[in-house]
Amino acid sequence: KNEVEQSPQNLTAQEGEFITINCSYSVGISALHWLQQHPGGGIVSLFMLSSGKKKHGRLIATINIQEKHSSLHITASHPRDSAVYICAVKENTGFQKLVFGTGTRLLVSP
Amino acid sequence: DTGVSQNPRHKITKRGQNVTFRCDPISEHNRLYWYRQTLGQGPEFLTYFQNEAQLEKSRLLSDRFSAERPKGSFSTLEIQRTEQGDSAMYLCASSLGQTRAAEKLFFGSGTQLSVL
Repeated sequence: KNEVEQSPQNLTAQEGEFITINCSYSVGISALHWLQQHPGGGIVSLFMLSSGKKKHGRLIATINIQEKHSSLHITASHPRDSAVYICAVKENTGFQKLVFGTGTRLLVSP
Repeated sequence: DTGVSQNPRHKITKRGQNVTFRCDPISEHNRLYWYRQTLGQGPEFLTYFQNEAQLEKSRLLSDRFSAERPKGSFSTLEIQRTEQGDSAMYLCASSLGQTRAAEKLFFGSGTQLSVL
């Protein structure tokens, strides 16, 4: 079992729909990252959080440390949101490495 | 462009050859990371530098792999005697590294390696 699990693996939505991507992890963490990867490889950091909720534009990220679960929400989705969304955790072991989930591939149709 | 730069973008090589990739991090960033990503998977950690010191190294990094960051600026990742299983996207990332707390990472566009 992977330390970081994401669901769903693939997600198709119509433009304007509200989208939720889930991330569960099995280890103690000091921070959780949500990242976006477009075809061709480039990865962009969206959020880094260790508690509560963060919002940036149409994106909202929440985390529940007790339940070891985080969600990424996209409101009013748009075709340009189509990408792979990846969850990654920094374990509370003092090491700097991130452990990544396998990603959720999102396709938003017009 | 002041982002993380990786070269080359693509590398095709024959099995058994040596390859070297370069990463130029954001100039004021002390921390530099190498990750490897295969198709349909999330990135896997390879190694981490704080300035010129290689502080963390994954068990994935066999003795055919070596990474350096000689002056605490750019880094190189060398793979000797490449195997087909080395085919992957090699990603470099950097972060500020001024505190022990978790930090936002900035990624390069990666080097896609194909071993024939």
